[in-house]
Amino acid sequence: DAKTTQPNSMESNEEEPVHLPCNHSTISGTDYIHWYRQLPSQGPEYVIHGLTSNVNNRMASLAIAEDRKSSTLILHRATLRDAAVYYCILSVNAGNMLTFGGGTRLMVKP
Amino acid sequence: DGGITQSPKYLFRKEGQNVTLSCEQNLNHDAMYWYRQDPGQGLRLIYYSQIVNDFQKGDIAEGYSVSREKKESFPLTVTSAQKNPTAFYLCASSMGLLGNTEAFFGQGTRLTVV
Repeated sequence: DAKTTQPNSMESNEEEPVHLPCNHSTISGTDYIHWYRQLPSQGPEYVIHGLTSNVNNRMASLAIAEDRKSSTLILHRATLRDAAVYYCILSVNAGNMLTFGGGTRLMVKP
Repeated sequence: DGGITQSPKYLFRKEGQNVTLSCEQNLNHDAMYWYRQDPGQGLRLIYYSQIVNDFQKGDIAEGYSVSREKKESFPLTVTSAQKNPTAFYLCASSMGLLGNTEAFFGQGTRLTVV
């Protein structure tokens, strides 16, 4: 399975935008890029996913590099409730599993 | 409300005992998954099922067993053969195979061996 690389932790100020990077240099043409987040002692929550084009939803935006070797999750205005571990995952189309790495722990300062 | 429910939230087991974790979903999803999470780590796949009466081993299936007799239910049994069962267990489901489909997770069961 293709692997992803994320920073271990990041800090942000409340109400400022946050850009969470993810490198996936071995991505294949059929891999979707997924983002999930996990609050302490809770199950992961789906955030967003995409294949080639940038994606927006009510939670976040996903910017995918033209060569697809990296992507960035954008939280437009961080709130204290956004403090969580964010996982960037590659999911093969019609695949049968999500492979979670260590993720990025986002800390939001008031 | 539609969703995926895990029970119990906390579970204590004596060494040498089998224990079964419940996972139920009313999302009409075909695929279901069990993950294990250790402190400060990511999730690791134990078993998954794409359809009723069929399931496959994940990366760390040893010491675990599952069944999928109903579409809505995917219980996980942690057997006495699992050497280090204390962990946070997460169940998930998805409409179909993953890729262009997201997974929905339950709130987890924290298992402690005493």
